Amino acid sequence: AQTVTQSQPEMSVQEAETVTLSCTYDTSESNYYLFWYKQPPSRQMILVIRQEAYKQQNATENRFSVNFQKAAKSFSLKISDSQLGDTAMYFCALNSGGSNYKLTFGKGTLLTVNP
Amino acid sequence: GAVVSQHPSWVICKSGTSVKIECRSLDFQATTMFWYRQFPKQSLMLMATSNEGSKATYEQGVEKDKFLINHASLTLSTLTVTSAHPEDSSFYICSASGGAASEQYFGPGTRLTVT
Repeated sequence: AQTVTQSQPEMSVQEAETVTLSCTYDTSESNYYLFWYKQPPSRQMILVIRQEAYKQQNATENRFSVNFQKAAKSFSLKISDSQLGDTAMYFCALNSGGSNYKLTFGKGTLLTVNP
Repeated sequence: GAVVSQHPSWVICKSGTSVKIECRSLDFQATTMFWYRQFPKQSLMLMATSNEGSKATYEQGVEKDKFLINHASLTLSTLTVTSAHPEDSSFYICSASGGAASEQYFGPGTRLTVT
């Protein structure tokens, strides 16, 4: 069984500052994919960033980057230069492969960016 | 690219009636579609996985006779909530995957209210 744990139910950050959201996971698979999804008040799920486990290099997408520590099974998301539009629920998700590529989600972290 | 639509976005129905929610992949062929349920301020809970032309695979605890899923084509899956009751009121989200890429693309969700 695979699990995803997000230990921070809520976080806040000042506009233009940097914030890091934590995520740990567990899987017995050697090849898997990790994702961060953003769900703003509209409730549309938006992919923020993805990381393939076989890649050692941390993924980066503009202001969003991850710190992927495979041995520690840790996958944190860093948001730089936070913007008001970053206010949302953030979900960490794991896909361990298999025939259907099911996603296992963490409970989420509600991030509020304050002006 | 990779757009998924859901219809309706919001529906109210009376207790005891059935309601159908459509999920369409607009610009790609979805070999696999997923249906989630999300309660307020909670994470996404996978209900079932459907592959085109096959019977859906339901997660433990999900009543297959109550939540009928059909994936008749590579671009359309439907979720029918039969004999709806107020406790079925929730936010339902579908996602679609082209398969090998492991990435899921999410629809905007459907808010169901059963009175």
